[in-house]
Amino acid sequence: NAGVTQTPKFRVLKTGQSMTLLCAQDMNHEYMYWYRQDPGMGLRLIHYSVGEGTTAKGEVPDGYNVSRLKKQNFLLGLESAAPSQTSVYFCASVTRTGQDYNEQFFGPGTRLTVL
Amino acid sequence: QQQVKQSPQSLIVQKGGISIINCAYENTAFDYFPWYQQFPGKGPALLIAIRPDVSEKKEGRFTISFNKSAKQFSLHIMDSQPGDSATYFCAARITGNTPLVFGKGTRLSVIA
Repeated sequence: NAGVTQTPKFRVLKTGQSMTLLCAQDMNHEYMYWYRQDPGMGLRLIHYSVGEGTTAKGEVPDGYNVSRLKKQNFLLGLESAAPSQTSVYFCASVTRTGQDYNEQFFGPGTRLTVL
Repeated sequence: QQQVKQSPQSLIVQKGGISIINCAYENTAFDYFPWYQQFPGKGPALLIAIRPDVSEKKEGRFTISFNKSAKQFSLHIMDSQPGDSATYFCAARITGNTPLVFGKGTRLSVIA
């Protein structure tokens, strides 16, 4: 049971390049989230999904797109990277079943630098 | 508008001392309050959580105190150890597994 995994772990992009971050979970969780972490800013929600084929905007969605074609995968895309998107990106997932106070599990993060 | 305010931003505690981190929230619909611990280079991991129907929850050296009327909750780390050095995030959520809202984090350093 690998939990939540993220690919890649590190990436350097030039301004204007595009890339996709992959999040995968093997816990059969319904809900998945993408956060970004910046110094002094905490964890800010970018986009999230409550199920396969559904996505919703979070607190800071501009410049990002997401897709949830399979229940176990949640992709975060940057179409035209900007230096302001330099950050550490975390994926998380949680189950919908059972009680409402289920633990949210995080992946190990992707460190992205945009030059 | 920041929904969960966390303080202090950083904290230095002597080994064996008590570390206290505070959070305040505004939305009275929040009904789940977890604390996450994050070590450098790692993702956050759940440390301890509380629901508003209790005023305190203790797990080993870690205690959450909850004051519903003041809309505040805090994390106390007793007998702090160098291995506790990490960033701590408080968070809150409305029933139904809506996304967690996080505080900005507290970097704790426990020195010998």
